[in-house]
Amino acid sequence: AQSVAQPEDQVNVAEGNPLTVKCTYSVSGNPYLFWYVQYPNRGLQFLLKYITGDNLVKGSYGFEAEFNKSQTSFHLKKPSALVSDSALYFCAVRDSSGGSYIPTFGRGTSLIVHP
Amino acid sequence: SAVISQKPSRDICQRGTSLTIQCQVDSQVTMMFWYRQQPGQSLTLIATANQGSEATYESGFVIDKFPISRPNLTFSTLTVSNMSPEDSSIYLCSVEGQFSYNEQFFGPGTRLTVL
Repeated sequence: AQSVAQPEDQVNVAEGNPLTVKCTYSVSGNPYLFWYVQYPNRGLQFLLKYITGDNLVKGSYGFEAEFNKSQTSFHLKKPSALVSDSALYFCAVRDSSGGSYIPTFGRGTSLIVHP
Repeated sequence: SAVISQKPSRDICQRGTSLTIQCQVDSQVTMMFWYRQQPGQSLTLIATANQGSEATYESGFVIDKFPISRPNLTFSTLTVSNMSPEDSSIYLCSVEGQFSYNEQFFGPGTRLTVL
């Protein structure tokens, strides 16, 4: 079975400050991990993914995420937040060892960047 | 990447009626997915639609309520039948990349309000 948790419903940060959106996962095998962003009245857009290799993954719009196997985490980060980053962020996991090919999505974290 | 369009983008419907949502992809894909996103909640997978076969429904979703068509490799429809206010949600169409480690691509969503 695979699962993902986003422990924070909402994250507030001031513009220009670093931001972190947390995600932890559980899979039987090795994980494929994804971050998506959803702007108001829009579908989900892919930000970045971890498949294998370097634990630090860089993605769109200056976002990055660090895969930590021992902590089973894949936190999303950005060094300097913009007001335009305000959106809903979803973490997703898929077990690479087979079984379901369908990813499991977290409940989402609302990021609010204050001017 | 894939570009996905959905029609309608939004609708307001009366209780007891049905609405068919269309999903068009700009390339041929094997699997298409239909999700429901209720207000303030994460994505819930309704069903997986493969061309030429019956859709596979997730627990809690049945074909009589959510019939799906998949006539070819670029198009699918989801019907929400005999609607009630509890069906008010955003309905998202999605396709996956060629391999299991590929990200998903989402349509812009259909925002449904049932009165």
